[in-house]
Amino acid sequence: ETGVTQTPRHLVMGMTNKKSLKCEQHLGHNAMYWYKQSAKKPLELMFVYNFKEQTENNSVPSRFSPECPNSSHLFLHLHTLQPEDSALYLCASSPLAGGQETQYFGPGTRLLVL
Amino acid sequence: DAKTTQPPSMDCAEGRAANLPCNHSTISGNEYVYWYRQIHSQGPQYIIHGLKNNETNEMASLIITEDRKSSTLILPHATLRDTAVYYCIVRVSSGTYKYIFGTGTRLKVLA
Repeated sequence: ETGVTQTPRHLVMGMTNKKSLKCEQHLGHNAMYWYKQSAKKPLELMFVYNFKEQTENNSVPSRFSPECPNSSHLFLHLHTLQPEDSALYLCASSPLAGGQETQYFGPGTRLLVL
Repeated sequence: DAKTTQPPSMDCAEGRAANLPCNHSTISGNEYVYWYRQIHSQGPQYIIHGLKNNETNEMASLIITEDRKSSTLILPHATLRDTAVYYCIVRVSSGTYKYIFGTGTRLKVLA
């Protein structure tokens, strides 16, 4: 238990569906991150939020839309996804997105797009 | 960006020390080395990090060479539950600080 929770843990969706992934951290951190891990590939950073402001978008397609209403919650809204978007989506948090900050990861949401 | 190179896989006998190497020859002077591990289908778990000096905590020891171009993670008494993919990461700074994950080392601890 790292203090970072993600829901749902598993999700199956069709290409025309809209769904949202939720991440919550109970660590009092100010930075939150979304990563994508496809099969047999390294983790890829998608988005970074620092004090609720997006500070990095790593060329992510617009069918992925993040939202950070406060420092404890992070959402990833999904719409019109493709089968190649099937992956493990990981959320992480750190005290700040700067300095030598250790990131703590949630358990991930395993997404399957049909 | 500093990049890391790790062997794709290693085996270790249960109860023995597991020594996982990492090369990071382009590391900059102010960049730390982090180690994480990922047990199948779970989120990465933080293990340890360091800058220049060797570090030890309850999970592992980190040995960094004097020139900082390589490091070794040591699990002193490996157990079956240590079977995982181990990632050596050098955190880079390019506007926003971020980790660049490689493909890691798949450690298998054998009974």
